[in-house]
Amino acid sequence: AQSVTQPDIHITVSEGASLELRCNYSYGATPYLFWYVQSPGQGLQLLLKYFSGDTLVQGIKGFEAEFKRSQSSFNLRKPSVHWSDAAEYFCALYSGTYKYIFGTGTRLKVLA
Amino acid sequence: DAGVIQSPRHEVTEMGQEVTLRCKPISGHDYLFWYRQTMMRGLELLIYFNNNVPIDDSGMPEDRFSAKMPNASFSTLKIQPSEPRDSAVYFCASSRSSGGFEQYFGPGTRLTVT
Repeated sequence: AQSVTQPDIHITVSEGASLELRCNYSYGATPYLFWYVQSPGQGLQLLLKYFSGDTLVQGIKGFEAEFKRSQSSFNLRKPSVHWSDAAEYFCALYSGTYKYIFGTGTRLKVLA
Repeated sequence: DAGVIQSPRHEVTEMGQEVTLRCKPISGHDYLFWYRQTMMRGLELLIYFNNNVPIDDSGMPEDRFSAKMPNASFSTLKIQPSEPRDSAVYFCASSRSSGGFEQYFGPGTRLTVT
């Protein structure tokens, strides 16, 4: 079955600290994977995407993600978090026929 | 481009009333999606269109929900009659078939049914 799991519902980090948000997927072929960010009262904004090739992908706002096929993971990272990064983050899998499976989201809180 | 435009941004209505949500996709995008977001169920795909034609409406909760796309630049999601359990944020998103599968989301409409 195709699925996306974000194990952490909430994460709190201090400003300036590093961040890693976890995403695990289940898919029978090479997946197309995405990370989106949703700020309060806003729609989802694409941070980055993985289709193929280099397993480390760079995105906007200083984020990067690493695709690890052996672990079925696509974790999002940022070396130094800013207070403006506080938001909800969604991992998504393209499941074919233009349908997408979204994870349940991880809400990030940043401490000053 | 202006991005995906949704209106209204907030809607408060009484149970039993008809509600119409509107969406203007990004120009040149040939796919349009309607999602509903709630705390309990997360982000759910309701229906999506390709070239103005509904492709998959299996996520539409029940017959009270209907969606149309009369042309490439406009879509509506209608709820009639509305119920309190329809309270949610409704997102419209669009994408381009030649564009690499990513979706572009509108700001959403927060619907409250009292």
